[in-house]
Amino acid sequence: DQQVKQNSPSLSVQEGRISILNCDYTNSMFDYFLWYKKYPAEGPTFLISISSIKDKNEDGRFTVFLNKSAKHLSLHIVPSQPGDSAVYFCAASFRGGGKLIFGQGTELSVKP
Amino acid sequence: NAGVTQTPKFRVLKTGQSMTLLCAQDMNHEYMYWYRQDPGMGLRLIHYSVGEGTTAKGEVPDGYNVSRLKKQNFLLGLESAAPSQTSVYFCASSYSQGLAGGEQFFGPGTRLTVL
Repeated sequence: DQQVKQNSPSLSVQEGRISILNCDYTNSMFDYFLWYKKYPAEGPTFLISISSIKDKNEDGRFTVFLNKSAKHLSLHIVPSQPGDSAVYFCAASFRGGGKLIFGQGTELSVKP
Repeated sequence: NAGVTQTPKFRVLKTGQSMTLLCAQDMNHEYMYWYRQDPGMGLRLIHYSVGEGTTAKGEVPDGYNVSRLKKQNFLLGLESAAPSQTSVYFCASSYSQGLAGGEQFFGPGTRLTVL
């Protein structure tokens, strides 16, 4: 049973517009949520995270929103740039950290 | 500062052959992990280690063994490779679980094909 789900395998956005990547989870015991970015032939790199006690975290062009009642989080990228084209994974961890549970990933394509 | 490195980058095996994937990190991290990535499945945890000399099973441990004899190294072994183990393998490391967010640092991956 997939505890973390990214239901959109791909997303295409025009340069300069907003990209919104979505993630749903089923386990209310998750304590932290993270977004990773992955380019082809490279390992994932950490992008941004949010604690379960917050509903928003912002870092430059990247903002993560958490809706605990809906068990939903989203990553907003504004403005989108061609260099943002990559696969984005959301992940969740339990209190105490350690193991991460990953979603299936969403491939973002930002077109010039 | 190399971060997390993985050896080899690519490998082709025949069914039944064995091999060991090596992961090394120079960040003095306590925790290390092995994941596999398959199309449409995201990254799934195979085994992990919370410190030198310790290992534990993840989501998909069957067919794999691991060892953490030194803090900086984490080895993943396939004793008898099967085509179902064709995948991209990622190693990761992190600080102790006490730090917020559980951010993990990943290596570049090993692409393994089992014929």
